Amino acid sequence: AQKVTQAQTEISVVEKEDVTLDCVYETRDTTYYLFWYKQPPSGELVFLIRRNSFDEQNEISGRYSWNFQKSTSSFNFTITASQVVDSAVYFCALSDPTGTASKLTFGTGTRLQVTL
Amino acid sequence: KAGVTQTPRYLIKTRGQQVTLSCSPISGHRSVSWYQQTPGQGLQFLFEYFSETQRNKGNFPGRFSGRQFSNSRSEMNVSTLELGDSALYLCASSLVGQKNEQYFGPGTRLTVT
Repeated sequence: AQKVTQAQTEISVVEKEDVTLDCVYETRDTTYYLFWYKQPPSGELVFLIRRNSFDEQNEISGRYSWNFQKSTSSFNFTITASQVVDSAVYFCALSDPTGTASKLTFGTGTRLQVTL
Repeated sequence: KAGVTQTPRYLIKTRGQQVTLSCSPISGHRSVSWYQQTPGQGLQFLFEYFSETQRNKGNFPGRFSGRQFSNSRSEMNVSTLELGDSALYLCASSLVGQKNEQYFGPGTRLTVT
């Protein structure tokens, strides 16, 4: 069975601090996709990034960066110079192994609180 | 381009009643998935529809059902509501070929009393 673990339930940082959100996954499949979503208080899940299992390149997008390490089954997310607007719940998710069906297994989420 | 829309946004029902939630995907998106979000169980996949056919199903009882119309709009129905069905129901749509890059709607918050 597939599983996504986000061990950090809640993280509080002061604005401008860097913060890393951890994600560890379990799957028996060799082909899969990993995702990060952000859920602000409004409730809508906002897509941040997708990474396939064959692409272990780290990615940087503005203040966001992702570190995918297949050897440790981890897909960690770092926010550099955090801002109050980054406050939200962040979810890591793993795709259905077929790659075509839109069935995601989500972690339990990490609530990030950024204060002034 | 308009995003995924869900109606209604809030709903209060009584135990034993049934409810229908609606989701309109992004124009051109043919796959629609439904998720239930609760504080206890987190985000759980309900089912996915593609071209009016259920393509995948999560681990929910038969009281939860859905359908998709020819214009890709989808509805989900919950019959004989239980208190535990109180949740945020999220709909997501994706463009075929985009490998699961799903876009979520704002959700319908269902409260069962």
